[in-house]
Amino acid sequence: NAGVTQTPKFRVLKTGQSMTLLCAQDMNHEYMYWYRQDPGMGLRLIHYSVGEGTTAKGEVPDGYNVSRLKKQNFLLGLESAAPSQTSVYFCASSYSDAVALNYGYTFGSGTRLTVV
Amino acid sequence: AQSVTQLGSHVSVSEGALVLLRCNYSSSVPPYLFWYVQYPNQGLQLLLKYTTGATLVKGINGFEAEFKKSETSFHLTKPSAHMSDAAEYFCAVIQHTGNQFYFGTGTSLTVIP
Repeated sequence: NAGVTQTPKFRVLKTGQSMTLLCAQDMNHEYMYWYRQDPGMGLRLIHYSVGEGTTAKGEVPDGYNVSRLKKQNFLLGLESAAPSQTSVYFCASSYSDAVALNYGYTFGSGTRLTVV
Repeated sequence: AQSVTQLGSHVSVSEGALVLLRCNYSSSVPPYLFWYVQYPNQGLQLLLKYTTGATLVKGINGFEAEFKKSETSFHLTKPSAHMSDAAEYFCAVIQHTGNQFYFGTGTSLTVIP
């Protein structure tokens, strides 16, 4: 009954440090997404993937990189963290376009990242 | 381009009162419309959706929403607020030819005992 699991749940970074956020899903979903959530701005799409080995940029991709080497995992990397990247990061997944249209996404519980 | 507007970033209602959360979309072609709910320290959960058919849709926990094409709106309502309804609510749209959602900025609902 795992669904979408995000690790870590909390992290504090110093400016310039790097880190990787992991998203894992056990539902055999093809599509995976990374969003950031900021007060007053809702959720904004960073990067997404429509299948293993594929990635694409979303609305706010700068400063982030992603990889989808395995179907079940979608990694979000910050190469050199900046205070502007302080946010709550959500991963989401969907089996397909059709499923997303009718059932929405399955979301993880989020990673709260603070960059000082 | 898609656009979703949620009027009112914070809404407070008394327990037992009507809940009304507003959502308007901007799209030349009516999209599919969703409401998600986010409880503290949790991810988003699907509350209800409109894709086709009946314009009044019912979701979980007594919530419902009505799609009004002429007003480009999809407002969320609940006749009687409960303390457990306190959460953040997001309206989202997706085109039936698209593969990504566009979210509104969210409305935080407070229920006053």
